[in-house]
Amino acid sequence: DGGITQSPKYLFRKEGQNVTLSCEQNLNHDAMYWYRQDPGQGLRLIYYSQIVNDFQKGDIAEGYSVSREKKESFPLTVTSAQKNPTAFYLCASSRQGADTQYFGPGTRLTVL
Amino acid sequence: EDKVVQSPLSLVVHEGDTVTLNCSYEVTNFRSLLWYKQEKKAPTFLFMLTSSGIEKKSGRLSSILDKKELFSILNITATQTGDSAVYLCAVISSGSARQLTFGSGTQLTVLP
Repeated sequence: DGGITQSPKYLFRKEGQNVTLSCEQNLNHDAMYWYRQDPGQGLRLIYYSQIVNDFQKGDIAEGYSVSREKKESFPLTVTSAQKNPTAFYLCASSRQGADTQYFGPGTRLTVL
Repeated sequence: EDKVVQSPLSLVVHEGDTVTLNCSYEVTNFRSLLWYKQEKKAPTFLFMLTSSGIEKKSGRLSSILDKKELFSILNITATQTGDSAVYLCAVISSGSARQLTFGSGTQLTVLP
């Protein structure tokens, strides 16, 4: 089945630790995105990548890092510099030139 | 800065009712507006409206775009309990590298 997978579904982290969230897609999409969603709020863009080995900061990139070494994969690292990392993280992808983005199931990160 | 405002924030109805969800936006160089349905996990795509497609319909759901007044509505007729979800509106502006700007969503609860 084609789609976007994110792992893990739930993640608990102690303060001061870095953690990496996985996002994989087999839709052959060129562009991939990371969003953060907080309760009662819409999605906010963290990072996006339109092509392999290239990515740009979104609206709230501070405290996060990404890599895009393969077309299928766009992992997000939440660093200890992120002051309030507890949130629901969503990965999305889209075809080149298309506006419609398709989302993965999300990872709920809780910092203890 | 692009801005999307959705109303109401939450809505409780009974099965069989008709609901109208609102989305207003302020975007430089508007390109398209998208509606998503989110049921505690990944947002799923509903409609995309552009200058060349200002009205969409799928079953009991329909949406229109008013480019002059800068708003869109999502109508759901004969609501069912399965329609309970958060409905998200997002816009894309030209030249934004396909970045979606989301509203905070409308939480719809359909009671049996």
